[in-house]
Amino acid sequence: DTGVSQDPRHKITKRGQNVTFRCDPISEHNRLYWYRQTLGQGPEFLTYFQNEAQLEKSRLLSDRFSAERPKGSFSTLEIQRTEQGDSAMYLCASSTRDSFGQYFGPGTRLTVT
Amino acid sequence: GQQLNQSPQSMFIQEGEDVSMNCTSSSIFNTWLWYKQDPGEGPVLLIALYKAGELTSNGRLTAQFGITRKDSFLNISASIPSDVGIYFCAGQLAGSSNTGKLIFGQGTTLQVKP
Repeated sequence: DTGVSQDPRHKITKRGQNVTFRCDPISEHNRLYWYRQTLGQGPEFLTYFQNEAQLEKSRLLSDRFSAERPKGSFSTLEIQRTEQGDSAMYLCASSTRDSFGQYFGPGTRLTVT
Repeated sequence: GQQLNQSPQSMFIQEGEDVSMNCTSSSIFNTWLWYKQDPGEGPVLLIALYKAGELTSNGRLTAQFGITRKDSFLNISASIPSDVGIYFCAGQLAGSSNTGKLIFGQGTTLQVKP
């Protein structure tokens, strides 16, 4: 299967701990996006990479959040000192440069206790 | 921030019925996308629209990019039980940087009674 994959699918952590999520986009896609989705809402944009360059970050992405895409392939999203308000589904999506049709992965469900 | 108003919020219909939902905004969009999401999964792209007035079909699904560029519609014909899920509209604002950043509606929850 060559779709977008995310790991882990579920993460339970205690408040104050750091967590890291991984996203592997569709192989020929050079654009990669992170979104956050809370219950009953649509996804909200967090950040965008074109190849390895992080070109846009949302105001939602506080300084506790950092994302990387070191070789323009997979990406990681790290949350430091997690808070209960960070509990959400974190979604990764990818697309080609010329298409705005973004393809989403299955998401990582984060629960902060 | 920018908002997409999606309606209806939920629908409960009989199998075989047609379904219509829409998305509106006070802002102009240059791309509209429609997604379906099942519980615990990521959204699945159904239809992408890139030009005002464009009408595109995908099987029993038909979507249109409104002429004003401020709205879009999704129709599902002859609904079946597997159509159950949450449908989201999403769009890219005109005049925004060319990042492809999407703004999503609040979703329409569809339930189908066999």
